[in-house]
Amino acid sequence: DAGVIQSPRHEVTEMGQEVTLRCKPISGHDYLFWYRQTMMRGLELLIYFNNNVPIDDSGMPEDRFSAKMPNASFSTLKIQPSEPRDSAVYFCASSLVGTGETQYFGPGTRLLVL
Amino acid sequence: KQEVTQIPAALSVPEGENLVLNCSFTDSAIYNLQWFRQDPGKGLTSLLLIQSSQREQTSGRLNASLDKSSGRSTLYIAASQPGDSATYLCAVRGGNQFYFGTGTSLTVIP
Repeated sequence: DAGVIQSPRHEVTEMGQEVTLRCKPISGHDYLFWYRQTMMRGLELLIYFNNNVPIDDSGMPEDRFSAKMPNASFSTLKIQPSEPRDSAVYFCASSLVGTGETQYFGPGTRLLVL
Repeated sequence: KQEVTQIPAALSVPEGENLVLNCSFTDSAIYNLQWFRQDPGKGLTSLLLIQSSQREQTSGRLNASLDKSSGRSTLYIAASQPGDSATYLCAVRGGNQFYFGTGTSLTVIP
């Protein structure tokens, strides 16, 4: 399996622009997680899905952030409008309940908002 | 709210030494605890997962223990190697939430 795939790997944008991050989980996994990592705050869980349904979005910082999972093999995290404080590395991870919930992380998207 | 702490923030040891990394959490009502490794510029790699009913897990040179009553977990690395240099994070699942520590940056000197 190719593992969790994220795109783009790097994104540089200007304040106010819309940013869309994409994730393809490992085939067959039933959980998908979106995390944000910064030096100041460490790794934070933003939202996660089970069988394409959002389970907990309490970590989503504000209404500018939204996430969707239209099918089992694809998810997006959108920021609109983006702000400089959104600059971070965004990770997607997936897991399968049957394997004890070990999470498998993607390589991350490094976002810089100018 | 659950708080996860890892001390020390950084650790440097000579190759071959055995070492222990610490993770503490404030709420003992956890579902499981995971230890991850993160290399610079990369994602996290799961090392060991301990369910709340378990006391320890082992994989190769790694051994993780869990003491829920005291809110502590340790990751023991035997015979450290330069390739073990990375940041190690612990994560606790409680209810619907996952809480990560800020990590211990380990450097193994050849």
